[in-house]
Amino acid sequence: GAVVSQHPSRVICKSGTSVKIECRSLDFQATTMFWYRQFPKQSLMLMATSNEGSKATYEQGVEKDKFLINHASLTLSTLTVTSAHPEDSSFYICSARDSGDLAETQYFGPGTRLLVL
Amino acid sequence: ILNVEQSPQSLHVQEGDSTNFTCSFPSSNFYALHWYRWETAKSPEALFVMTLNGDEKKKGRISATLNTKEGYSYLYIKGSQPEDSATYLCALYMDSNYQLIWGAGTKLIIKP
Repeated sequence: GAVVSQHPSRVICKSGTSVKIECRSLDFQATTMFWYRQFPKQSLMLMATSNEGSKATYEQGVEKDKFLINHASLTLSTLTVTSAHPEDSSFYICSARDSGDLAETQYFGPGTRLLVL
Repeated sequence: ILNVEQSPQSLHVQEGDSTNFTCSFPSSNFYALHWYRWETAKSPEALFVMTLNGDEKKKGRISATLNTKEGYSYLYIKGSQPEDSATYLCALYMDSNYQLIWGAGTKLIIKP
């Protein structure tokens, strides 16, 4: 199956710093990439959808200036958590899809655990 | 508010036993249902995509059924093995909404 990598897998940072998370599709071109956040024992919550070469679409309640998403190529999307604070500590996971068909599988990265001190 | 409910939240099953769990969802405007398996420290792995009422899909010892009229899908595991231990997630696409709506998952633990 298709492989998606995500880096880093774990990051600890001080409050006020920015953290960049990379999501790469390794063996396919991802027309659409998704960024999710998961709190303990809760569902995956979609933060934003990004299409290559265009601005990301953010879900209600997600601050676009706080969570910067760039999808500059068909194989790479980045999420930057700007001026991170302890409440941003969470598990962030990306997925990628190679077509616009909603019934198509999303392929997931392994996730990034962010801890902001 | 769209809600995808999974039950039970967690399940302990003896190795060799068969088991099943449920994903419930609003039956109106159904488009597609996805099942994923998520092992600890790994990426979620796609199991099935189901679109038609009455669909039955099978992959090895794992199978799934879909009832879009009453709004549920069952996932079955036959002869559970320790490697089946994982969280099983279902996610729904409605035709009025472009995003997947996720359930919170069923955590399956197989006891040797």
